[in-house]
Amino acid sequence: GIQVEQSPPDLILQEGANSTLRCNFSDSVNNLQWFHQNPWGQLINLFYIPSGTKQNGRLSATTVATERYSLLYISSSQTTDSGVYFCAVGNAGKSTFGDGTTLTVKP
Amino acid sequence: DAGVTQSPTHLIKTRGQQVTLRCSPKSGHDTVSWYQQALGQGPQFIFQYYEEEERQRGNFPDRFSGHQFPNYSSELNVNALLLGDSALYLCASRYRDFYGYTFGSGTRLTVV
Repeated sequence: GIQVEQSPPDLILQEGANSTLRCNFSDSVNNLQWFHQNPWGQLINLFYIPSGTKQNGRLSATTVATERYSLLYISSSQTTDSGVYFCAVGNAGKSTFGDGTTLTVKP
Repeated sequence: DAGVTQSPTHLIKTRGQQVTLRCSPKSGHDTVSWYQQALGQGPQFIFQYYEEEERQRGNFPDRFSGHQFPNYSSELNVNALLLGDSALYLCASRYRDFYGYTFGSGTRLTVV
């Protein structure tokens, strides 16, 4: 099956700093999503981005499908950005998740 | 517009018992997938239902079974519960194979 690697596993930032999270995957996919999991377990969809670039406020994402990676950018981080960020990739049906990046933003 | 609704939110069961978890997909969605998330790990795919049929299945034993109803809602059943089945169970829905999944808040199952 598809392998998904996320880096870094942990990231600690001061409020206001920028960060880049990376997701590498082992095979071609037609579905890629970035999620933020809050402390209560809810997975919040940030981007559906099988290819190309998207932006939503302070967050943006880029997927280079031919090179099998995706990047999530967080600018001017806030304490509310803390949590676990997951990349999930797949084809029709199953999505495979990475192990996540745990982001801690300190005030 | 209601998102994905799961019930119950928390559940405690005894080893060897059976459990049923329920999921109502987001309005307009017809495809439902179930995931198991152990503490500190990413969600693992259990299976997907579309048109009341199991379409894909992950690496889970037959103790895990499911069902999808004509209104697209779904149930996850786990028989002969083991301590290792303790986890957050997440339901996700989408319209066919288009766009991404929307996840529910999950059911946290504890097996004692």
